[in-house]
Amino acid sequence: EADIYQTPRYLVIGTGKKITLECSQTMGHDKMYWYQQDPGMELHLIHYSYGVNSTEKGDLSSESTVSRIRTEHFPLTLESARPSHTSQYLCASSEDLGGNSPLHFGNGTRLTVT
Amino acid sequence: DAKTTQPPSMDCAEGRAANLPCNHSTISGNEYVYWYRQIHSQGPQYIIHGLKNNETNEMASLIITEDRKSSTLILPHATLRDTAVYYCIVSAFGNEKLTFGTGTRLTIIP
Repeated sequence: EADIYQTPRYLVIGTGKKITLECSQTMGHDKMYWYQQDPGMELHLIHYSYGVNSTEKGDLSSESTVSRIRTEHFPLTLESARPSHTSQYLCASSEDLGGNSPLHFGNGTRLTVT
Repeated sequence: DAKTTQPPSMDCAEGRAANLPCNHSTISGNEYVYWYRQIHSQGPQYIIHGLKNNETNEMASLIITEDRKSSTLILPHATLRDTAVYYCIVSAFGNEKLTFGTGTRLTIIP
């Protein structure tokens, strides 16, 4: 079973602050993803990565940025947080086996920007 | 990529089998059918997936019709802990932009 960790679990921060949401996985998965989900709403893909030094934008436009310097680590950064960024952010990873690779999700970071 | 259609909500009595349908009439030959569930505000949990054949694991069974245009997730003996939103999605190699949709909200009734 994949182990994928997100920190912090909850974050309340003021407008204009820079924040980094951490995501790490211990399974050596090449592919990693960030989803954004508002309460009771659909998951939207905002970033993904095929492996080290690879980052791609997802379907939902996001002001966040990501980096992939190490296989196990895929942090998401907001340079200047705004109330519109209030949401839950979910990180996931999968093996690179084509379509035959389940996603393994972390428990998310619930971000509130005041 | 193929989209899926699921009923927005379903109820099932505790101890009975929960059968969750999914329509994916535009699925292509190389797309797998996946099921995930999301309990309250946790991250989605992988349940099962398949290509053509029916599949079973310790959590559930997946029945895929012969034409692959629909599938059913079966939770054989539903418990209160199975109350969650269940997502049916299709996925193929090279398709990273998976669409989760709104899923089916399954409520297990005591």
